[in-house]
Amino acid sequence: SQQGEEDPQALSIQEGENATMNCSYKTSINNLQWYRQNSGRGLVHLILIRSNEREKHSGRLRVTLDTSKKSSSLLITASRAADTASYFCATDGDNQGGKLIFGQGTELSVKP
Amino acid sequence: DTAVSQTPKYLVTQMGNDKSIKCEQNLGHDTMYWYKQDSKKFLKIMFSYNNKELIINETVPNRFSPKSPDKAHLNLHINSLELGDSAVYFCASSRRQGSTGELFFGEGSRLTVL
Repeated sequence: SQQGEEDPQALSIQEGENATMNCSYKTSINNLQWYRQNSGRGLVHLILIRSNEREKHSGRLRVTLDTSKKSSSLLITASRAADTASYFCATDGDNQGGKLIFGQGTELSVKP
Repeated sequence: DTAVSQTPKYLVTQMGNDKSIKCEQNLGHDTMYWYKQDSKKFLKIMFSYNNKELIINETVPNRFSPKSPDKAHLNLHINSLELGDSAVYFCASSRRQGSTGELFFGEGSRLTVL
């Protein structure tokens, strides 16, 4: 069953702007992860945030987690054309039987 | 060095045929996975193996048979291919089963069934 749902499904911005993607999930989690997938390539892990963390940074990436709202957001600051990709959230929870469950992704297009 | 490598990258075949995809990881991970990504990019787990033992079998038709000869390899054999099997199949690995950490993905094998 699908756990994460992402919003928006597609996002188009200009280089230099910030991009925000949201992920909502249904059941309690141990951690939530974000992945990037460039066209025709495999998924690449970006960041993992644990259920007891509220915010995490990695370079131009900022992830927040609100367990009361069962939601997370990924912010990419000062976007570049090379950030053009699909971004997926994935949840890991005790009731998921050891499975990492992915959302349907946000397709980000950054125009130069 | 490629961490998770899968072959072939592309397969085009007729309905009813049998095909295999191979996967190898050189990360020393204990757990390996097969995921299927459909045309809408929805990614769904099919199987996971922990140190050669099948852990997750996600209601996949038994035409799909994974095999793990050792913990560095996980292959996927598909019998009697159907049109609906067309998808991109990803192999992935992680350090251990349980609280899932980071997954490392291969580049995918795009299967087209005609």
